[in-house]
Amino acid sequence: SQQGEEDPQALSIQEGENATMNCSYKTSINNLQWYRQNSGRGLVHLILIRSNEREKHSGRLRVTLDTSKKSSSLLITASRAADTASYFCATDGGSNYKLTFGKGTLLTVNP
Amino acid sequence: EAGVAQSPRYKIIEKRQSVAFWCNPISGHATLYWYQQILGQGPKLLIQFQNNGVVDDSQLPKDRFSAERLKGVDSTLKIQPAKLEDSAVYLCASSSDSNSPLHFGNGTRLTVT
Repeated sequence: SQQGEEDPQALSIQEGENATMNCSYKTSINNLQWYRQNSGRGLVHLILIRSNEREKHSGRLRVTLDTSKKSSSLLITASRAADTASYFCATDGGSNYKLTFGKGTLLTVNP
Repeated sequence: EAGVAQSPRYKIIEKRQSVAFWCNPISGHATLYWYQQILGQGPKLLIQFQNNGVVDDSQLPKDRFSAERLKGVDSTLKIQPAKLEDSAVYLCASSSDSNSPLHFGNGTRLTVT
């Protein structure tokens, strides 16, 4: 079963604009991760935020986590055409830290 | 460091045939995962190994799927017999431990006709 659900399913923006994607999940977590997947490739880890953290930055990426609402957001600032990809959130929980992925948000950045 | 290697890159088989996928994780990574990704969906965990022991295989269709990790390094995933609904990308990933980020291979795209 899918633990995390991304919103929106698809997002199309112009180069230079900011992109925001959201993730909601159902059960308690130890950490939440965001991954990127370019077409025909494997997933690439972007950022990990722990359950006791509220915000984390990495370059042009900003991730927030609200455990009371069981939600997270990924903000990509000053987007580039190369950011075009699918973005997935993944959550863990339980004793074996099984990582469960959502269905993803397809981001298209138009030059 | 070298990434996760998977082969073959593509495979087309007829239903009821068998197929095997191979994965070589990043050197030293104790945890290895096989995910199935159907078009338009997120990856679904099939099996998770810690060294050569199985941690989780609750979503592995054990009547047709099998996986092994010999000597705690390379792994193979086998499907026998294949069904049309097995058409998907099979992704292998590894991590240094079960709390660390995953490193994915580029996957094997399986088409069952």
